[in-house]
Amino acid sequence: NAGVTQTPKFQVLKTGQSMTLQCAQDMNHNSMYWYRQDPGMGLRLIYYSASEGTTDKGEVPNGYNVSRLNKREFSLRLESAAPSQTSVYFCASSVGLAGLSTDTQYFGPGTRLTVL
Amino acid sequence: AQTVTQSQPEMSVQEAETVTLSCTYDTSESNYYLFWYKQPPSRQMILVIRQEAYKQQNATENRFSVNFQKAAKSFSLKISDSQLGDTAMYFCAFMYRNSGNTPLVFGKGTRLSVIA
Repeated sequence: NAGVTQTPKFQVLKTGQSMTLQCAQDMNHNSMYWYRQDPGMGLRLIYYSASEGTTDKGEVPNGYNVSRLNKREFSLRLESAAPSQTSVYFCASSVGLAGLSTDTQYFGPGTRLTVL
Repeated sequence: AQTVTQSQPEMSVQEAETVTLSCTYDTSESNYYLFWYKQPPSRQMILVIRQEAYKQQNATENRFSVNFQKAAKSFSLKISDSQLGDTAMYFCAFMYRNSGNTPLVFGKGTRLSVIA
C-alpha cells in the first residue's frame, strides 16, 4: 500500500496562475482533508470531505476549492494564486466511519508551493 | 472552538536523556481524542501516540508516553532514552469525536533537538 500520495511535490507559480494539487489514498478511507502549514502556525485545515460526495470548509478556505472526485481522490484547486498561498500543503485521510472507537489521520508527504 | 497550545517553541535534550513536551487545550466537549505527531526534516507527518479522553490510563508506545490530565486539560509527551532520530517538530493535536468525523486542530509545534 502506498498510503496517501500527493502530486506534485514542489511547484512554483506566478501570481494569478491556477493549479490543482492532487491527493489519492489506497486505504479505503472515507474521510479526506487538506491542511496548510506555515512557519510558526502549525497545520490549519482548509477543507475536508467526511465522505464521498460531501465537502466542508475548514479554518482557512478562502482562495481554494476542492473536489472529492471519488472515494480515493480529493483535489485542491487554487483558481488565482496569491503570494499569501505560499505554504506546504498536506493531504490526510482517515477511516471516518461513524461509531469507530479510533480514527487516526494518515498524512501524505506534502507539496511545497511557492507563489511569486 | 477548540484551541491547542504548545508553550515551548524549541527544546533540546542530550542523547539518552528524558524530555517532556507540554501541551494544553481548551474545549467544552467531553468526548475527544488527543494526538502527538512527529515531523522530521523529511516533512512527513508521523503519528507518535494517541489518547482517548474517556480512558484514564495514559497511553504508551515504546519510549513515548503521555501524561493526560483531563481536568487540567493537559497532555504532555515524555520521550525516554532520547535518540538522534527523535530530532523533529512535534505537534499536539485535538479531535472532537462525534457520530461522524471531525478534523484535527493542531498546536503550533515544538522543535526538539537531540544532541549527541
